[in-house]
Amino acid sequence: KAGVTQTPRYLIKTRGQQVTLSCSPISGHRSVSWYQQTPGQGLQFLFEYFSETQRNKGNFPGRFSGRQFSNSRSEMNVSTLELGDSALYLCASSLYPGDRDLPTGELFFGEGSRLTVL
Amino acid sequence: DAKTTQPPSMDCAEGRAANLPCNHSTISGNEYVYWYRQIHSQGPQYIIHGLKNNETNEMASLIITEDRKSSTLILPHATLRDTAVYYCIVRLDSNYQLIWGAGTKLIIKP
Repeated sequence: KAGVTQTPRYLIKTRGQQVTLSCSPISGHRSVSWYQQTPGQGLQFLFEYFSETQRNKGNFPGRFSGRQFSNSRSEMNVSTLELGDSALYLCASSLYPGDRDLPTGELFFGEGSRLTVL
Repeated sequence: DAKTTQPPSMDCAEGRAANLPCNHSTISGNEYVYWYRQIHSQGPQYIIHGLKNNETNEMASLIITEDRKSSTLILPHATLRDTAVYYCIVRLDSNYQLIWGAGTKLIIKP
Protein backbone atom coordinates (compact mmCIF):
# COMPACT_ATOMS: atom_id res chain seq x y z
CA LYS A 1 0.00 0.00 0.00
CA ALA A 2 1.07 3.58 -0.51
CA GLY A 3 3.26 5.16 2.11
CA VAL A 4 3.04 8.57 3.72
CA THR A 5 3.05 11.28 1.08
CA GLN A 6 4.31 14.78 1.77
CA THR A 7 4.05 17.71 -0.57
CA PRO A 8 5.85 19.72 -1.69
CA ARG A 9 9.21 17.95 -1.35
CA TYR A 10 11.25 21.13 -1.69
CA LEU A 11 10.36 24.78 -1.40
CA ILE A 12 12.08 28.12 -1.02
CA LYS A 13 10.48 31.07 0.74
CA THR A 14 11.62 34.46 1.96
CA ARG A 15 11.44 35.87 5.45
CA GLY A 16 7.99 37.06 6.42
CA GLN A 17 6.14 34.77 4.04
CA GLN A 18 3.97 31.90 5.13
CA VAL A 19 3.99 28.28 4.03
CA THR A 20 1.58 25.34 4.07
CA LEU A 21 2.81 21.75 3.97
CA SER A 22 0.61 18.77 3.28
CA CYS A 23 0.69 15.18 4.51
CA SER A 24 -1.39 12.22 3.33
CA PRO A 25 -1.13 9.34 5.81
CA ILE A 26 -1.20 5.66 5.02
CA SER A 27 -4.74 4.54 4.25
CA GLY A 28 -6.51 3.63 7.48
CA HIS A 29 -4.11 5.53 9.72
CA ARG A 30 -5.88 8.14 11.80
CA SER A 31 -2.98 9.61 13.76
CA VAL A 32 -0.61 12.12 12.18
CA SER A 33 2.42 13.72 13.81
CA TRP A 34 4.70 16.46 12.57
CA TYR A 35 8.40 16.91 13.33
CA GLN A 36 11.01 19.50 12.49
CA GLN A 37 14.53 18.27 11.77
CA THR A 38 17.54 20.59 11.73
CA PRO A 39 21.27 19.83 11.95
CA GLY A 40 21.55 21.74 15.21
CA GLN A 41 18.43 20.62 17.08
CA GLY A 42 17.78 17.22 15.54
CA LEU A 43 14.22 15.91 15.42
CA GLN A 44 11.75 17.96 17.42
CA PHE A 45 8.08 17.21 17.88
CA LEU A 46 5.66 19.81 16.59
CA PHE A 47 2.18 18.37 17.09
CA GLU A 48 0.03 15.27 16.85
CA TYR A 49 -3.50 14.94 15.48
CA PHE A 50 -6.01 12.17 15.87
CA SER A 51 -9.55 12.24 14.52
CA GLU A 52 -9.21 15.93 13.60
CA THR A 53 -8.21 16.88 17.16
CA GLN A 54 -4.80 18.08 18.28
CA ARG A 55 -3.72 15.73 21.04
CA ASN A 56 -0.23 16.98 21.74
CA LYS A 57 1.82 20.03 20.94
CA GLY A 58 5.56 20.58 21.20
CA ASN A 59 7.37 23.71 22.32
CA PHE A 60 7.08 25.79 19.19
CA PRO A 61 5.74 29.34 18.85
CA GLY A 62 2.20 30.04 17.73
CA ARG A 63 3.46 30.72 14.21
CA PHE A 64 3.41 26.96 13.77
CA SER A 65 -0.06 25.52 13.41
CA GLY A 66 -1.70 22.49 11.95
CA ARG A 67 -4.96 20.78 11.29
CA GLN A 68 -6.34 17.43 10.28
CA PHE A 69 -9.22 16.77 7.94
CA SER A 70 -11.93 14.15 8.15
CA ASN A 71 -10.02 11.93 5.70
CA SER A 72 -7.01 12.06 8.09
CA ARG A 73 -4.94 14.19 5.73
CA SER A 74 -3.08 16.88 7.60
CA GLU A 75 -1.58 20.26 6.88
CA MET A 76 0.82 22.39 8.84
CA ASN A 77 1.30 26.09 8.39
CA VAL A 78 4.15 28.36 9.37
CA SER A 79 3.45 32.08 9.28
CA THR A 80 5.91 34.98 9.27
CA LEU A 81 8.81 32.77 8.29
CA GLU A 82 12.20 33.28 9.90
CA LEU A 83 15.61 32.12 8.71
CA GLY A 84 15.68 29.60 11.55
CA ASP A 85 12.60 27.86 10.18
CA SER A 86 14.73 26.35 7.43
CA ALA A 87 14.47 22.64 8.07
CA LEU A 88 13.20 19.28 6.95
CA TYR A 89 9.59 18.91 8.07
CA LEU A 90 8.59 15.31 8.57
CA CYS A 91 5.13 13.86 8.84
CA ALA A 92 4.46 10.47 10.41
CA SER A 93 1.28 8.44 10.56
CA SER A 94 0.20 5.56 12.76
CA LEU A 95 -2.91 3.51 13.32
CA TYR A 96 -3.56 5.08 16.68
CA PRO A 97 -1.95 7.66 18.99
CA GLY A 98 -0.06 6.64 22.07
CA ASP A 99 -1.70 6.48 25.45
CA ARG A 100 -0.95 4.85 28.76
CA ASP A 101 -2.29 1.41 27.97
CA LEU A 102 -1.64 1.42 24.28
CA PRO A 103 1.91 2.39 23.47
CA THR A 104 2.43 4.20 20.24
CA GLY A 105 2.66 1.76 17.43
CA GLU A 106 5.11 2.01 14.63
CA LEU A 107 5.32 5.50 13.16
CA PHE A 108 5.56 5.58 9.38
CA PHE A 109 7.40 8.63 8.15
CA GLY A 110 7.20 10.40 4.84
CA GLU A 111 10.31 11.63 3.07
CA GLY A 112 9.74 15.16 4.31
CA SER A 113 9.35 18.65 2.94
CA ARG A 114 12.60 20.58 2.83
CA LEU A 115 11.97 24.26 3.47
CA THR A 116 14.60 26.89 2.82
CA VAL A 117 13.95 30.40 4.07
CA LEU A 118 16.04 33.16 2.47
CA ASP B 1 15.90 17.98 26.40
CA ALA B 2 16.91 14.57 25.17
CA LYS B 3 16.66 11.79 27.72
CA THR B 4 19.10 9.53 25.89
CA THR B 5 22.86 9.55 25.29
CA GLN B 6 24.43 7.72 22.39
CA PRO B 7 27.93 7.66 20.88
CA PRO B 8 28.01 10.01 17.88
CA SER B 9 29.43 7.40 15.52
CA MET B 10 30.40 3.74 15.23
CA ASP B 11 31.88 1.44 12.63
CA CYS B 12 31.03 -2.22 12.06
CA ALA B 13 32.28 -4.80 9.57
CA GLU B 14 29.79 -6.20 7.12
CA GLY B 15 28.38 -9.52 8.30
CA ARG B 16 29.21 -8.90 11.93
CA ALA B 17 26.79 -7.98 14.68
CA ALA B 18 26.39 -4.27 15.29
CA ASN B 19 25.81 -3.39 18.94
CA LEU B 20 24.56 0.15 19.49
CA PRO B 21 24.50 1.35 23.11
CA CYS B 22 22.15 3.90 24.61
CA ASN B 23 22.13 5.45 28.05
CA HIS B 24 18.78 6.58 29.52
CA SER B 25 19.60 6.84 33.20
CA THR B 26 16.69 9.18 34.01
CA ILE B 27 14.01 6.98 32.46
CA SER B 28 10.93 6.46 34.61
CA GLY B 29 8.93 3.30 35.14
CA ASN B 30 6.36 3.64 32.37
CA GLU B 31 8.55 5.21 29.72
CA TYR B 32 9.21 3.05 26.70
CA VAL B 33 12.46 2.90 24.76
CA TYR B 34 12.18 3.11 20.97
CA TRP B 35 14.74 2.74 18.21
CA TYR B 36 14.43 4.27 14.78
CA ARG B 37 16.96 4.69 12.02
CA GLN B 38 17.28 7.27 9.28
CA ILE B 39 19.01 6.50 6.04
CA HIS B 40 20.30 9.56 4.21
CA SER B 41 17.57 11.66 2.57
CA GLN B 42 14.77 9.44 3.87
CA GLY B 43 12.32 9.68 6.75
CA PRO B 44 13.08 7.70 9.92
CA GLN B 45 12.19 4.02 9.95
CA TYR B 46 10.89 2.18 13.02
CA ILE B 47 13.07 -0.67 14.27
CA ILE B 48 11.85 -1.88 17.67
CA HIS B 49 10.57 -0.77 21.06
CA GLY B 50 10.42 -2.16 24.59
CA LEU B 51 9.63 -1.41 28.21
CA LYS B 52 11.34 -3.89 30.51
CA ASN B 53 11.83 -7.16 28.69
CA ASN B 54 14.21 -7.87 25.88
CA GLU B 55 12.56 -7.77 22.48
CA THR B 56 13.37 -9.29 19.11
CA ASN B 57 11.88 -8.87 15.67
CA GLU B 58 12.98 -9.55 12.13
CA MET B 59 15.21 -6.48 12.07
CA ALA B 60 16.93 -6.40 15.43
CA SER B 61 17.06 -7.28 19.11
CA LEU B 62 16.68 -4.86 21.99
CA ILE B 63 18.42 -5.66 25.25
CA ILE B 64 17.32 -3.53 28.23
CA THR B 65 19.26 -3.70 31.49
CA GLU B 66 17.42 -4.77 34.60
CA ASP B 67 17.61 -1.26 36.10
CA ARG B 68 16.41 0.13 32.74
CA LYS B 69 19.14 2.78 32.75
CA SER B 70 20.60 1.60 29.46
CA SER B 71 19.85 -0.54 26.44
CA THR B 72 21.59 -2.01 23.42
CA LEU B 73 20.25 -2.43 19.92
CA ILE B 74 21.72 -5.42 18.13
CA LEU B 75 21.69 -5.83 14.37
CA PRO B 76 22.74 -9.49 14.13
CA HIS B 77 24.29 -9.52 10.64
CA ALA B 78 24.99 -6.00 9.47
CA THR B 79 24.89 -5.22 5.76
CA LEU B 80 25.98 -2.13 3.85
CA ARG B 81 22.31 -1.08 3.68
CA ASP B 82 22.29 -0.78 7.48
CA THR B 83 24.49 2.33 7.24
CA ALA B 84 22.30 5.03 8.81
CA VAL B 85 21.79 7.24 11.84
CA TYR B 86 20.24 5.20 14.66
CA TYR B 87 18.10 7.01 17.21
CA CYS B 88 17.41 5.77 20.71
CA ILE B 89 14.24 7.46 21.93
CA VAL B 90 12.29 7.64 25.17
CA ARG B 91 8.53 8.01 25.10
CA LEU B 92 7.47 10.34 27.90
CA ASP B 93 4.90 9.02 30.31
CA SER B 94 3.38 12.46 30.81
CA ASN B 95 2.23 13.12 27.25
CA TYR B 96 3.48 10.12 25.26
CA GLN B 97 5.77 12.27 23.13
CA LEU B 98 8.87 10.69 21.63
CA ILE B 99 11.97 12.56 22.72
CA TRP B 100 14.70 12.08 20.11
CA GLY B 101 18.39 12.23 20.92
CA ALA B 102 21.23 13.08 18.56
CA GLY B 103 21.61 9.51 17.32
CA THR B 104 24.56 7.31 16.38
CA LYS B 105 25.89 7.36 12.84
CA LEU B 106 26.58 3.69 12.08
CA ILE B 107 28.87 2.98 9.16
CA ILE B 108 29.04 -0.58 7.88
CA LYS B 109 32.33 -1.30 6.16
CA PRO B 110 32.91 -4.03 3.56
